[in-house]
Amino acid sequence: SQQGEEDPQALSIQEGENATMNCSYKTSINNLQWYRQNSGRGLVHLILIRSNEREKHSGRLRVTLDTSKKSSSLLITASRAADTASYFCATAPTSGTYKYIFGTGTRLKVLA
Amino acid sequence: SQTIHQWPATLVQPVGSPLSLECTVEGTSNPNLYWYRQAAGRGLQLLFYSVGIGQISSEVPQNLSASRPQDRQFILSSKKLLLSDSGFYLCAWSGPSYEQYFGPGTRLTVT
Repeated sequence: SQQGEEDPQALSIQEGENATMNCSYKTSINNLQWYRQNSGRGLVHLILIRSNEREKHSGRLRVTLDTSKKSSSLLITASRAADTASYFCATAPTSGTYKYIFGTGTRLKVLA
Repeated sequence: SQTIHQWPATLVQPVGSPLSLECTVEGTSNPNLYWYRQAAGRGLQLLFYSVGIGQISSEVPQNLSASRPQDRQFILSSKKLLLSDSGFYLCAWSGPSYEQYFGPGTRLTVT
């Protein structure tokens, strides 16, 4: 069964605005990752946050992790039209396993 | 640098025909390999993963199978396709860092 659930399912914003999307999961995790998928393409890894980390930054991306609430958020600041894509969270449920569970994704549309 | 190849890019097959999708990885050794399927507008469903040659874990009961004949080669097969096998198939690899790297995908339409 799918562990990750992204919220919202779809998001439409103006260029320059910030975009926030959330991910919830059900079991203990080793790490949580965020991926981007442009239409009809493979997924691209964006950022990984480990279970003992609370926040991580990479360029315009900021990821937070709250293991007590089993949730994570991805913030994209100063969005651009090129950020238009689907964003997925993925969890590795237990230490030592390389089996990932992907969420259902958030479709982001950035309007120029 | 590492590269992942996946082919074909698109495929249209009749119901009941066989299937073979191939994925190869360059620039790394002993990768973990994965096959996912994605329905239109949906998330990824893990089908198979492999941590070594000949070691295949199946996640979803179906008429698909996977094989890993070489360290960096992963093949997805079916003897007889069903309409429900249509979808976007993605191959991926990962190393000890947990990050996954995806191929460009194969869009399969079963008619």
